[in-house]
Amino acid sequence: EVQLVESGGGLVQPGESLRLSCVVSGFIFSDYSMNWVRQAPGKGLEWVSHINGRSANIHYADSVEGRFTISRDNAKNSLYLQMNSLRAEDTAVYYCARDLRDNYSIDYWGQGTLVTVSS
Amino acid sequence: DIVMTQTPISSPVTLGQPASISCSSSESLVHSDGNTYLSWLQQRPGQPPRLLIYKTSNRFSGVPDRFSGSGAGTDFTLKISRVETEDVAVYYCMQATQFPWTFGQGTKVEIK
Repeated sequence: EVQLVESGGGLVQPGESLRLSCVVSGFIFSDYSMNWVRQAPGKGLEWVSHINGRSANIHYADSVEGRFTISRDNAKNSLYLQMNSLRAEDTAVYYCARDLRDNYSIDYWGQGTLVTVSS
Repeated sequence: DIVMTQTPISSPVTLGQPASISCSSSESLVHSDGNTYLSWLQQRPGQPPRLLIYKTSNRFSGVPDRFSGSGAGTDFTLKISRVETEDVAVYYCMQATQFPWTFGQGTKVEIK
């Protein structure tokens, strides 16, 4: 069974940093590209970042470029999102999400972790 | 960035009746490899999204056949042939033809 479990969310002040983690199981992690997608409270979905299996290709949304860094450790079946210089508008549930194999889409999602940026 | 626009924003439907959601993109979603990477996702209240349709018209594993996707270029449609109670959700289209990937604003399907 495919499972993705996020952690690391919480309440931080503007300008602070936070690191999100996602541990996966049920599939060969290194074979899949991964994503972070976020959803502000009561709002729609926003794609944040994408990384391929070997970390050779990485993409970011303009809204987080230069502040967020996606990474992965295939030996630990883990995906990360380092978030620096956090802003109030970064407040959201952050989902770890797996690419559909050999297709550009997202097939499995974690339950999400809530990040709240507030003073 | 490619802008995705869904209509309607809200769709009250009668149980057992069909529902249709439209999604248009600000530019063609045909990838250089010839595929069109338009997906539809369902998000039930309090749940993460769930993939329904990928590459415009391919149903994902386990998705009931009352869900179907169609379209080409810049105009796409998700149809539910006969709405059931469990279909109450927000539906999103998503393009993955070009980074940054972008979503429509969502369409809420509710029972009349």
